[in-house]
Amino acid sequence: KNEVEQSPQNLTAQEGEFITINCSYSVGISALHWLQQHPGGGIVSLFMLSSGKKKHGRLIATINIQEKHSSLHITASHPRDSAVYICAVRSEETSGSRLTFGEGTQLTVNP
Amino acid sequence: EPEVTQTPSHQVTQMGQEVILRCVPISNHLYFYWYRQILGQKVEFLVSFYNNEISEKSEIFDDQFSVERPDGSNFTLKIRSTKLEDSAMYFCASRAGGINEQFFGPGTRLTVL
Repeated sequence: KNEVEQSPQNLTAQEGEFITINCSYSVGISALHWLQQHPGGGIVSLFMLSSGKKKHGRLIATINIQEKHSSLHITASHPRDSAVYICAVRSEETSGSRLTFGEGTQLTVNP
Repeated sequence: EPEVTQTPSHQVTQMGQEVILRCVPISNHLYFYWYRQILGQKVEFLVSFYNNEISEKSEIFDDQFSVERPDGSNFTLKIRSTKLEDSAMYFCASRAGGINEQFFGPGTRLTVL
């Protein structure tokens, strides 16, 4: 079983729709990251969370430490939001600060 | 805004050749990482580096791999004798001390023929 599970794997939406991507993890963590990967391959950090909720523009990330679950929400989605969204965790159980990644969610927003 | 840079963006090499992938982390960062992503798969951790030594490495990071910070600005990943299965996107990341957020470079696409 993967330490980090994301759902859905693929998501297609119409422009303007509210998007939710989910991430569940099985280990104790010190931080969770949401990352965005565009078709060219580059990775951009969107959020780093250890508790609660963060908001940046149309993006909102929440985390529930007790339930080992995080969600990434996109409000008023736009075609330029089309990308792969990746959840990654920093485990409490490793001595270093390595990240363990989910498989990613491919989001396509149609105009 | 400071960013992590990587060169080259794409490297093509023959099986058995040595390759060096280069990264310039953000200048005040202290922790450095290499990750790789085989096409169609998830990103995997290779190695972390702090205070001029490896702090953690994965099972992927065998004797064929090495890292170095030769001059205080560059951070390199060397693969001594490349194999077909080393073909992947390699990402460098860095972070400042005491702050967990890692910043990623744009990646180097390595193709081994």
